[in-house]
Amino acid sequence: GENVEQHPSTLSVQEGDSAVIKCTYSDSASNYFPWYKQELGKRPQLIIDIRSNVGEKKDQRIAVTLNKTAKHFSLHITETQPEDSAVYFCAAIPSGSARQLTFGSGTQLTVLP
Amino acid sequence: EAQVTQNPRYLITVTGKKLTVTCSQNMNHEYMSWYRQDPGLGLRQIYYSMNVEVTDKGDVPEGYKVSRKEKRNFPLILESPSPNQTSLYFCASSSGQGAYEQYFGPGTRLTVT
Repeated sequence: GENVEQHPSTLSVQEGDSAVIKCTYSDSASNYFPWYKQELGKRPQLIIDIRSNVGEKKDQRIAVTLNKTAKHFSLHITETQPEDSAVYFCAAIPSGSARQLTFGSGTQLTVLP
Repeated sequence: EAQVTQNPRYLITVTGKKLTVTCSQNMNHEYMSWYRQDPGLGLRQIYYSMNVEVTDKGDVPEGYKVSRKEKRNFPLILESPSPNQTSLYFCASSSGQGAYEQYFGPGTRLTVT
C-alpha cells in the first residue's frame, strides 16, 4: 500500500518568513495530493490540493509543488502569520484506491511573533 | 448548513463495554470514512464506505465495526473496547462525484480505562 512520509515534524519560523513542509510517497500510481490544516482542538480542513497532471498550484500565500519523478510534494507558505500556526498533514490517494487517503504524520508549524 | 456531525464528542468508558459513535452528513455524499488520530502517527483510516451497504477495511480495522444502512449515517462500533483504542476519532465524507475533498466531523475523544 501507499506510504507517506512527512518532514519536519516540527517547524518554527519568524512571522513574515516562509515555511516549507515536504512529503514523499511510495506508490507511483498516486494521483491526488491534498494538504490539510488542523488548528488546536479542531477538525482537519483542506487548504490546497494538487493532481498528478499539474506541477504547481498556488492560492494566495500557499503553494504546493509536485515532482512525480522523485515522488515528492511540498507545501510552501509565504509571509507567515500567527494564524498559520497549526498542524499540517499531507496525504496521497493512489489511483483506483477508492479514495483511501493515506496521511503523513503531520508537521506542527509555529509562527513566532 | 452543510456539515458532518459526530456524537458523542467526548466519551470515557471501561474495557469491554460496547459503544457506538455516530456520524451523519447532510451533503448527500456517497463516500464516508473513519479515522483515528494518535500523536506522531497522523490520521489512520479505520473503515470506509463507497455507498450504502458497501464498506471496506482501511489500514487499522481491528477491533472496530461499521455499517452503512443509510447514505447519511456511518456509525463506528467498538464491540469490546480496549485501552489501546483510546484515541481521537474523526468521521469524514466526500461527494464521490470526481471530487476528492474530504469533509471532517468535529471529532470524538474516546478514553478507555
